[in-house]
Parts: sequence; structure tokens; C-alpha cells
Amino acid sequence: EAGVTQFPSHSVIEKGQTVTLRCDPISGHDNLYWYRRVMGKEIKFLLHFVKESKQDESGMPNNRFLAERTGGTYSTLKVQPAELEDSGVYFCASSQGLTKNIQYFGAGTRLSVL
Amino acid sequence: AQSVTQPDIHITVSEGASLELRCNYSYGATPYLFWYVQSPGQGLQLLLKYFSGDTLVQGIKGFEAEFKRSQSSFNLRKPSVHWSDAAEYFCAVVPYSSASKIIFGSGTRLSIRP
Repeated sequence: EAGVTQFPSHSVIEKGQTVTLRCDPISGHDNLYWYRRVMGKEIKFLLHFVKESKQDESGMPNNRFLAERTGGTYSTLKVQPAELEDSGVYFCASSQGLTKNIQYFGAGTRLSVL
Repeated sequence: AQSVTQPDIHITVSEGASLELRCNYSYGATPYLFWYVQSPGQGLQLLLKYFSGDTLVQGIKGFEAEFKRSQSSFNLRKPSVHWSDAAEYFCAVVPYSSASKIIFGSGTRLSIRP
């Protein structure tokens, strides 16, 4: 069974450009999460989808970040326009249910904004 | 404030030596407790988890962790480390009040001395 996959593994863009990250959860997992780790800091929650609905987006830093999960399958996280402080590793995770919340993580996308 | 603390940023141990990574949490009630590991180029992999019951939990790769309520701690241990254990280790919690967010510690990087 395939795990959580994320594309691209690494993205280098210039400040002001747009970048879209993609996450494919484990098949059958209704819950999808985005997290971010900026340099030297802890991994922080961004948002949580249940199927195609945003359940909790309290961790989204500002309105330059837009997450979507059309059809309740894969999800995208768009940053527009990117700023220097957006650099970091973006992780996606999925879980089958919410009970005890065991989340399975992808390898992450490393975003470098120059 | 609610938090997860990993006091050791970087630890180096010799191959074959024992290992203990420290984790303390600050929450009103005992949350769900986890340890994740991230090897270079890999995603976050769940090592072990504690929900309730026996306070000594066994995980994958020969790791174990002990929950101590009186100390609000969940330290990770391994009796004999292998070179392949070199990675970054994250302690994490899911508070009862949260159905989604994992709260991570800042991580401990483990290096193995040959």
C-alpha cells in the first residue's frame, strides 16, 4: 500500500512567485493534514481536512496560503506570493479516523524562497 | 502554556551504547503521546504511541518509552543503538481537547559515533 506522497520534494522560487505543493494521502483516509517546519523551529500544524471540508485551519499563517482538497482526494497548498519567511519543510499527513489520531506522514516538500 | 519540551537539541552516542531522549509535556490532562523519527530524506515515521494503560510501551526498531505522570515525561530509550538510528527524533502530543492537531517538540538530532 502506498504511503503519503508529496510533490515536489524540493522547490526553489524567488520572493513574490507562486508555488503549489501537492499531497496524495493514503487511499481511503478521509483526514488530511498540513504541517510546516521553518528553520530551527518545531513542526507546526497548519490545517486539517475531513474529506473536502476544512475542519480546522487555525494554523494557517496568513491569507497568502490557500489549501484545497477538491473531491476529497489529493490536496494542494498554494503560497501566493511567497515571502522569504515561508521557507521551510511542508509536511502532509493523513489518518483514517480521528480516534486516537494516528497520522501517517509524507517525506515533506522543502521550500526555499530566495 | 501548553507545550512539549525536548531539552536536548543534539546528542551523540557511540554505536552499541544505550540511549535516552527526554521529553516533557505541559497539559492539564494526560494527552496522547507519540515519538516520531525522521531519517535523512524520509518522512516522519511513528516509532511508538501511548494512549493509556501500561506505562512502558514498546515500539519499532527496538525502541521503548516510559510514561511518568508525576513527571509529565515520556522519555524514549534504546538499550543499544545502531548506526542506522542516526536521525532526528520528535516527541509529540495530541491533547484530548484536539481532534486534529499534533503538537510537536522541537526535535533531538541523534548522531552515532562509530
